[in-house]
Amino acid sequence: AAGVIQSPRHLIKEKRETATLKCYPIPRHDTVYWYQQGPGQDPQFLISFYEKMQSDKGSIPDRFSAQQFSDYHSELNMSSLELGDSALYFCASSLKHRDSNTEAFFGQGTRLTVV
Amino acid sequence: GDSVTQMEGPVTLSEEAFLTINCTYTATGYPSLFWYVQYPGEGLQLLLKATKADDKGSNKGFEATYRKETTSFHLEKGSVQVSDSAVYFCALSVYGQNFVFGPGTRLSVLP
Repeated sequence: AAGVIQSPRHLIKEKRETATLKCYPIPRHDTVYWYQQGPGQDPQFLISFYEKMQSDKGSIPDRFSAQQFSDYHSELNMSSLELGDSALYFCASSLKHRDSNTEAFFGQGTRLTVV
Repeated sequence: GDSVTQMEGPVTLSEEAFLTINCTYTATGYPSLFWYVQYPGEGLQLLLKATKADDKGSNKGFEATYRKETTSFHLEKGSVQVSDSAVYFCALSVYGQNFVFGPGTRLSVLP
């Protein structure tokens, strides 16, 4: 079965550079979430989209932005990178039911290292 | 806001021991509850879920029961294996909102 695809799997950037992370959700899923997981930490919610519109916003820095495109893939754009942005970035997708949430399916993550 | 609390780790057990990882939650609405597992270097995988009070989720020998009266969703397994070594995350989601994760509990099972 198709899963959530993230690219790239690994990314090394220098401070103050820009990075773009891509996420391809499971076909027909209408919701995409982005999470940041620091070393030894739990995933922290950044932002989510429902039907290509931003639906919720968490602890996403102003230096980051994200969008969901017409084909439902999503991109997380990160500018003026800082050493503290080094983390594992997960994308997840789900399909909202009328009265309950299905589970979120996670991608393998993109490991970003800022040097 | 919504939050999830888990027992502190790491938890170290011998093979075939009984496992309990406690999870309690606070939510403004009626949440669905989940346990996710993360193996080293991998993403989060759904282990089990429950969407309403008294539901029991189960998978691969793991079980958890949605207890609304105690706002808990404790994870249990009767006999752990070395291959169960991973980090376990309790999570909730209220319809229309994002998933909120607990801090994770690292489990190490020794042969």
